[in-house]
Order: sequence, then C-alpha cells, then structure tokens
Amino acid sequence: AQTVTQSQPEMSVQEAETVTLSCTYDTSESDYYLFWYKQPPSRQMILVIRQEAYKQQNATENRFSVNFQKAAKSFSLKISDSQLGDAAMYFCAYRRGSNYQLIWGAGTKLIIKP
Amino acid sequence: GAGVSQSPSNKVTEKGKDVELRCDPISGHTALYWYRQSLGQGLEFLIYFQGNSAPDKSGLPSDRFSAERTGGSVSTLTIQRTQQEDSAVYLCASSLSLSLGIYEQYFGPGTRLTVT
Repeated sequence: AQTVTQSQPEMSVQEAETVTLSCTYDTSESDYYLFWYKQPPSRQMILVIRQEAYKQQNATENRFSVNFQKAAKSFSLKISDSQLGDAAMYFCAYRRGSNYQLIWGAGTKLIIKP
Repeated sequence: GAGVSQSPSNKVTEKGKDVELRCDPISGHTALYWYRQSLGQGLEFLIYFQGNSAPDKSGLPSDRFSAERTGGSVSTLTIQRTQQEDSAVYLCASSLSLSLGIYEQYFGPGTRLTVT
C-alpha cells in the first residue's frame, strides 16, 4: 500500500527567508503524481504545486519549488522569500496515475516569524 | 467562476442525532469526493462520485454514513445517530472527469462537525 510521510509536525521560519518541508512516500508504481496542498485557518485546501513522476524537471510555481528525488522517493517543498501569508498547514499527497484517490501525509504546520 | 461550496460551515449536534452536510461542486465537474479530517490529522478518503454513481464507498467508516448525489451536481453526506468520534471537518472536493486524465481536485472550505 502507498504511504506518505511528513516527518516535521511543525516548522518555523523568519519572514523573507527560505524553508524546506520534507515528504517521503512509498510506492511500487511508476506512474503517479505528487502534490503539495496548503490549508490556512480558513480550512480550504489549496493546491500549491504538483509533480508528475515521469517528469525529471522539478516543478516550480513562483516562490514555491520542489526537489523531486524519484529514486529516494522524496518530494520536498521549498518556499523562498517566506511571507506572512504562507503560514498554514502544508500537506503532501500522492496519487497513482490511474486512480483518483489521494493518499495524504499528516501535515506540517508552518509558522512565519515577522 | 464559483468554487466548491459547502454548508453549513459549522454544525453542532447532540449525540444520536442525524446530520446532513451539503456540497456544491464547481460547475462542469463530474467527479466529487468527500474526505474527513480529524483534529491534527491528514485527510481520510470517504467516498467519491463519478456523475451520480459512487463506484467506491470503501472509505465510509460505518453504515451510519451514506452519501448521494443528484443531477450530477449537489451531494449530501448523511451521518445517522452521530457519535462523538464523528466530530471532524468534512471536506468536499470536485474535479473534471476522470477520463480526461488531468483531474486536479478543488476543495471546499469544509464543514466542522461537533458532536456533544
């Protein structure tokens, strides 16, 4: 069975600095997708970035980028120039290519220090 | 356009009562998903719909939980005889048809259910 592990329950970073959130996953599949979602206090889950397993290039969305290490089954999220609005729970999720179901990590709470 | 909406935003109910949670997906999204998020936890898959049918109900925790979807749009999650362990945030998501391959799930703001 596929599993997703986020080993950092909480991280804090100074405003304007860079922080990296860790995620590892376990799968025997070759076709899959990985996602980072952000959940602010409003509760709404917001897609931050996604990575297709067949793509070697790391995905980037503005200040957010990933370090996808397929062999190591690692999918970390880097947030550059952290802003107060980045404070939220961040969830890593996995989806098998042919399947709809998202498998979720337990989340990392990100605190931004002004 | 409008995103996924859910109602009510918060619901407090007494143990043993039935509750209905509603989800309005994004217009044109044929797939709809229900998740449960307990305090400090990740999301637990409950059920998904493709159109009005629910091919996979394996995530429903007990027979007290049921869901339906009508007209390929609005969905209702019903919990009968609520228990305190049902207290959680219930999130709904929708996506384009699974057959299109790329099917990002877009989430609603959730319903926080508290069973006293």
